Amino acid sequence: AQSVTQLGSHVSVSEGALVLLRCNYSSSVPPYLFWYVQYPNQGLQLLLKYTSAATLVKGINGFEAEFKKSETSFHLTKPSAHMSDAAEYFCAVSTGGFKTIFGAGTRLFVKA
Amino acid sequence: DTGVSQDPRHKITKRGQNVTFRCDPISEHNRLYWYRQTLGQGPEFLTYFQNEAQLEKSRLLSDRFSAERPKGSFSTLEIQRTEQGDSAMYLCASSLTDTEAFFGQGTRLTVV
Repeated sequence: AQSVTQLGSHVSVSEGALVLLRCNYSSSVPPYLFWYVQYPNQGLQLLLKYTSAATLVKGINGFEAEFKKSETSFHLTKPSAHMSDAAEYFCAVSTGGFKTIFGAGTRLFVKA
Repeated sequence: DTGVSQDPRHKITKRGQNVTFRCDPISEHNRLYWYRQTLGQGPEFLTYFQNEAQLEKSRLLSDRFSAERPKGSFSTLEIQRTEQGDSAMYLCASSLTDTEAFFGQGTRLTVV
């Protein structure tokens, strides 16, 4: 069975500061891993994905994530936060089938 | 084609009424998914279609829920005898592969 744990339901950073959103997964087979962003009353937009190629994955809007098998982690980072990054972020895991398991989400606040 | 389209965006209904939601996927996508998202949670998988065949249903999908994709294009999700616990955002997604799903903006259901 697969599962996803996002550490911290809320994260607050100052504009220009490093963003770090934590995600740990559990999977019995090599997983596909995803980060999605959701703005209020909107659907989910894919930020980036890991599908067993490079362990450091670059996504849209300056975000990147590193797959660390030994730590079963897939943390999301961005060097410098922008006000427009304020949103809900979801980490998700799939084993290549039809079902994707999502974490509970982390709401990112960006202070001016 | 600009993406996955869901209709309506918002629905308020009285307890006990039936509701139906529609999802129009990206035209060439043969895979279609329904998810439910409650406040403060990540999306939870409900059901999956490949073309017109419904290949998987979550145990979350009680007998009051039914989904169809009659011609392998658009899909409908019907909830009969709605309950207050059905209040949630219902998200539809479509894909060609296992590694990237495109989400619609969702239908927010409020049962009063």
